[in-house]
Amino acid sequence: SYELTQPPSVSVSPGQTARITCSGDALPKKYAYWHQQKSGQAPVLVIYEDSKRPSGIPERFSGSTSGTMATLTISGAQMEDEADYYCHSTDSSDKVLLGGGTKLTVL
Amino acid sequence: VQLVESGGGLVEPGGSLRLSCAASGFTFSNAWMNWVRQAPGKGLEWVGRIKSKGDGGTTDYAAPVKARFTISRDDSKNTFYLQMNSLKTEDTAVYYCTTLLHWGQGTLVTVSS
Repeated sequence: SYELTQPPSVSVSPGQTARITCSGDALPKKYAYWHQQKSGQAPVLVIYEDSKRPSGIPERFSGSTSGTMATLTISGAQMEDEADYYCHSTDSSDKVLLGGGTKLTVL
Repeated sequence: VQLVESGGGLVEPGGSLRLSCAASGFTFSNAWMNWVRQAPGKGLEWVGRIKSKGDGGTTDYAAPVKARFTISRDDSKNTFYLQMNSLKTEDTAVYYCTTLLHWGQGTLVTVSS
Protein backbone atom coordinates (compact mmCIF):
# COMPACT_ATOMS: atom_id res chain seq x y z
CA SER A 1 0.00 0.00 0.00
CA TYR A 2 1.08 3.58 -0.59
CA GLU A 3 2.54 5.63 2.25
CA LEU A 4 4.13 9.04 2.61
CA THR A 5 7.25 9.34 4.74
CA GLN A 6 8.53 12.54 6.34
CA PRO A 7 11.43 13.17 8.73
CA PRO A 8 10.13 13.69 12.28
CA SER A 9 12.00 16.93 12.76
CA VAL A 10 14.02 19.62 10.99
CA SER A 11 15.87 22.41 12.73
CA VAL A 12 17.29 25.62 11.25
CA SER A 13 18.49 29.01 12.45
CA PRO A 14 16.49 32.12 11.54
CA GLY A 15 17.26 33.24 8.00
CA GLN A 16 18.46 29.82 6.89
CA THR A 17 16.72 27.65 4.32
CA ALA A 18 14.61 24.82 5.67
CA ARG A 19 13.85 21.82 3.51
CA ILE A 20 11.25 19.24 4.46
CA THR A 21 10.94 16.10 2.38
CA CYS A 22 8.08 13.73 1.71
CA SER A 23 8.70 10.45 -0.05
CA GLY A 24 6.27 7.96 -1.49
CA ASP A 25 5.58 5.81 -4.52
CA ALA A 26 2.38 7.72 -5.33
CA LEU A 27 4.20 11.00 -5.89
CA PRO A 28 5.37 10.51 -9.48
CA LYS A 29 1.71 10.15 -10.51
CA LYS A 30 -0.16 12.33 -8.04
CA TYR A 31 0.21 15.90 -6.80
CA ALA A 32 1.76 16.73 -3.45
CA TYR A 33 0.23 19.22 -1.05
CA TRP A 34 1.70 20.78 2.10
CA HIS A 35 -0.10 21.93 5.22
CA GLN A 36 1.25 23.98 8.10
CA GLN A 37 -0.12 23.48 11.60
CA LYS A 38 0.96 25.83 14.35
CA SER A 39 0.51 24.79 17.96
CA GLY A 40 -3.14 24.70 18.99
CA GLN A 41 -4.40 25.73 15.56
CA ALA A 42 -6.05 24.08 12.58
CA PRO A 43 -3.87 23.22 9.58
CA VAL A 44 -3.44 25.71 6.76
CA LEU A 45 -2.56 24.84 3.15
CA VAL A 46 0.78 26.37 2.11
CA ILE A 47 1.49 24.53 -1.18
CA TYR A 48 -0.87 22.77 -3.57
CA GLU A 49 -0.37 20.80 -6.78
CA ASP A 50 3.34 20.30 -6.07
CA SER A 51 4.47 23.92 -6.31
CA LYS A 52 1.58 26.40 -6.30
CA ARG A 53 1.21 28.85 -3.46
CA PRO A 54 -2.25 29.91 -2.21
CA SER A 55 -2.90 33.61 -1.92
CA GLY A 56 -1.66 35.00 1.35
CA ILE A 57 1.18 32.49 1.75
CA PRO A 58 4.58 34.23 1.81
CA GLU A 59 6.86 33.83 -1.20
CA ARG A 60 9.52 32.19 0.95
CA PHE A 61 7.41 29.00 0.82
CA SER A 62 7.97 26.89 -2.30
CA GLY A 63 7.42 23.31 -3.35
CA SER A 64 9.04 20.94 -5.79
CA THR A 65 8.95 17.29 -6.73
CA SER A 66 11.39 14.85 -8.26
CA GLY A 67 10.47 11.23 -8.77
CA THR A 68 9.16 9.78 -5.53
CA MET A 69 10.07 12.80 -3.42
CA ALA A 70 8.36 16.13 -2.78
CA THR A 71 10.16 18.94 -1.00
CA LEU A 72 8.83 21.96 0.86
CA THR A 73 11.42 24.73 0.97
CA ILE A 74 11.23 27.72 3.27
CA SER A 75 13.82 30.23 2.11
CA GLY A 76 14.91 32.47 4.96
CA ALA A 77 12.91 30.73 7.66
CA GLN A 78 11.45 32.95 10.36
CA MET A 79 10.46 32.24 13.94
CA GLU A 80 6.82 32.44 12.91
CA ASP A 81 7.36 29.48 10.55
CA GLU A 82 7.92 27.15 13.50
CA ALA A 83 5.16 24.56 13.14
CA ASP A 84 4.34 21.01 12.15
CA TYR A 85 4.23 20.42 8.40
CA TYR A 86 2.28 17.63 6.73
CA CYS A 87 2.41 16.48 3.13
CA HIS A 88 -0.56 14.81 1.51
CA SER A 89 -1.31 13.13 -1.77
CA THR A 90 -3.70 10.49 -3.05
CA ASP A 91 -3.42 6.90 -4.13
CA SER A 92 -4.68 5.36 -7.35
CA SER A 93 -8.23 5.13 -5.98
CA ASP A 94 -8.20 8.73 -4.71
CA LYS A 95 -7.88 7.76 -1.07
CA VAL A 96 -5.98 10.42 0.84
CA LEU A 97 -2.44 9.72 1.98
CA LEU A 98 -1.05 11.82 4.81
CA GLY A 99 2.57 12.00 5.88
CA GLY A 100 3.42 11.60 9.54
CA GLY A 101 4.37 15.25 9.91
CA THR A 102 7.64 17.13 10.42
CA LYS A 103 8.25 19.45 13.34
CA LEU A 104 10.16 22.50 12.14
CA THR A 105 12.15 24.29 14.81
CA VAL A 106 13.57 27.72 14.06
CA LEU A 107 16.10 28.76 16.69
CA VAL B 1 -14.44 29.85 2.48
CA GLN B 2 -15.71 28.77 5.84
CA LEU B 3 -16.04 25.29 7.31
CA VAL B 4 -17.67 24.98 10.73
CA GLU B 5 -17.80 21.69 12.59
CA SER B 6 -20.24 20.88 15.35
CA GLY B 7 -21.44 17.90 17.34
CA GLY B 8 -18.34 16.95 19.29
CA GLY B 9 -18.45 16.01 22.95
CA LEU B 10 -17.97 13.29 25.51
CA VAL B 11 -19.32 9.83 24.77
CA GLU B 12 -18.86 6.45 26.43
CA PRO B 13 -17.12 3.58 24.67
CA GLY B 14 -19.55 1.78 22.38
CA GLY B 15 -21.63 4.92 21.95
CA SER B 16 -22.47 6.99 18.90
CA LEU B 17 -22.03 10.59 17.84
CA ARG B 18 -22.80 12.56 14.70
CA LEU B 19 -20.58 15.42 13.59
CA SER B 20 -21.72 18.07 11.14
CA CYS B 21 -19.75 20.43 8.94
CA ALA B 22 -21.45 23.53 7.53
CA ALA B 23 -19.74 24.94 4.47
CA SER B 24 -19.92 28.34 2.82
CA GLY B 25 -17.99 30.48 0.37
CA PHE B 26 -17.62 27.92 -2.39
CA THR B 27 -19.75 25.62 -4.55
CA PHE B 28 -20.28 22.88 -1.99
CA SER B 29 -22.09 20.53 -4.37
CA ASN B 30 -18.96 20.26 -6.53
CA ALA B 31 -16.58 19.60 -3.64
CA TRP B 32 -15.11 16.36 -2.39
CA MET B 33 -15.28 16.59 1.39
CA ASN B 34 -13.03 14.89 3.93
CA TRP B 35 -12.82 14.24 7.63
CA VAL B 36 -9.35 14.25 9.17
CA ARG B 37 -8.69 13.67 12.86
CA GLN B 38 -5.86 14.34 15.26
CA ALA B 39 -5.47 12.41 18.49
CA PRO B 40 -3.90 14.31 21.41
CA GLY B 41 -0.22 14.88 20.71
CA LYS B 42 -0.34 12.93 17.44
CA GLY B 43 -0.28 13.69 13.74
CA LEU B 44 -3.12 14.13 11.29
CA GLU B 45 -5.01 11.01 10.28
CA TRP B 46 -7.36 10.84 7.31
CA VAL B 47 -10.74 9.39 8.32
CA GLY B 48 -12.73 9.34 5.10
CA ARG B 49 -14.12 11.21 2.13
CA ILE B 50 -17.28 11.67 0.13
CA LYS B 51 -17.13 12.65 -3.52
CA SER B 52 -19.46 15.14 -5.10
CA LYS B 53 -22.68 13.68 -6.49
CA GLY B 54 -21.47 14.63 -9.94
CA ASP B 55 -18.48 12.35 -9.42
CA GLY B 56 -20.62 9.54 -8.07
CA GLY B 57 -21.08 10.60 -4.44
CA THR B 58 -19.12 7.58 -3.25
CA THR B 59 -17.35 7.28 0.07
CA ASP B 60 -14.03 5.84 1.17
CA TYR B 61 -12.76 5.26 4.68
CA ALA B 62 -9.52 4.61 6.49
CA ALA B 63 -9.15 1.05 7.74
CA PRO B 64 -9.49 1.87 11.49
CA VAL B 65 -12.97 3.35 11.03
CA LYS B 66 -14.38 1.34 8.16
CA ALA B 67 -17.71 -0.31 9.05
CA ARG B 68 -18.10 1.95 12.12
CA PHE B 69 -18.17 5.43 10.58
CA THR B 70 -20.41 6.73 7.79
CA ILE B 71 -20.01 9.95 5.83
CA SER B 72 -22.98 11.57 4.11
CA ARG B 73 -23.84 14.94 2.60
CA ASP B 74 -26.84 17.19 2.10
CA ASP B 75 -26.06 19.57 -0.75
CA SER B 76 -29.34 21.46 -0.14
CA LYS B 77 -27.94 22.47 3.26
CA ASN B 78 -24.28 22.81 2.26
CA THR B 79 -23.53 20.38 5.07
CA PHE B 80 -21.84 17.05 5.40
CA TYR B 81 -21.78 14.61 8.26
CA LEU B 82 -19.78 11.98 10.05
CA GLN B 83 -21.84 9.35 11.84
CA MET B 84 -19.62 7.53 14.32
CA ASN B 85 -20.83 4.27 15.86
CA SER B 86 -19.22 1.72 18.18
CA LEU B 87 -16.82 4.38 19.39
CA LYS B 88 -13.56 3.34 21.00
CA THR B 89 -11.23 5.23 23.32
CA GLU B 90 -8.73 5.43 20.47
CA ASP B 91 -11.24 7.52 18.48
CA THR B 92 -10.61 10.39 20.88
CA ALA B 93 -9.37 13.25 18.73
CA VAL B 94 -10.08 16.63 17.24
CA TYR B 95 -12.06 16.03 14.06
CA TYR B 96 -11.54 18.45 11.18
CA CYS B 97 -13.69 18.81 8.11
CA THR B 98 -11.65 19.80 5.11
CA THR B 99 -11.66 20.11 1.36
CA LEU B 100 -7.88 19.63 1.73
CA LEU B 101 -7.56 23.16 0.38
CA HIS B 102 -9.41 24.68 3.33
CA TRP B 103 -9.86 23.44 6.90
CA GLY B 104 -12.38 23.93 9.64
CA GLN B 105 -11.35 24.71 13.20
CA GLY B 106 -12.16 21.22 14.42
CA THR B 107 -14.43 19.70 17.03
CA LEU B 108 -13.22 17.58 19.94
CA VAL B 109 -14.55 14.07 20.43
CA THR B 110 -13.69 12.37 23.71
CA VAL B 111 -14.50 8.71 24.16
CA SER B 112 -14.23 7.79 27.82
CA SER B 113 -16.17 6.10 30.58
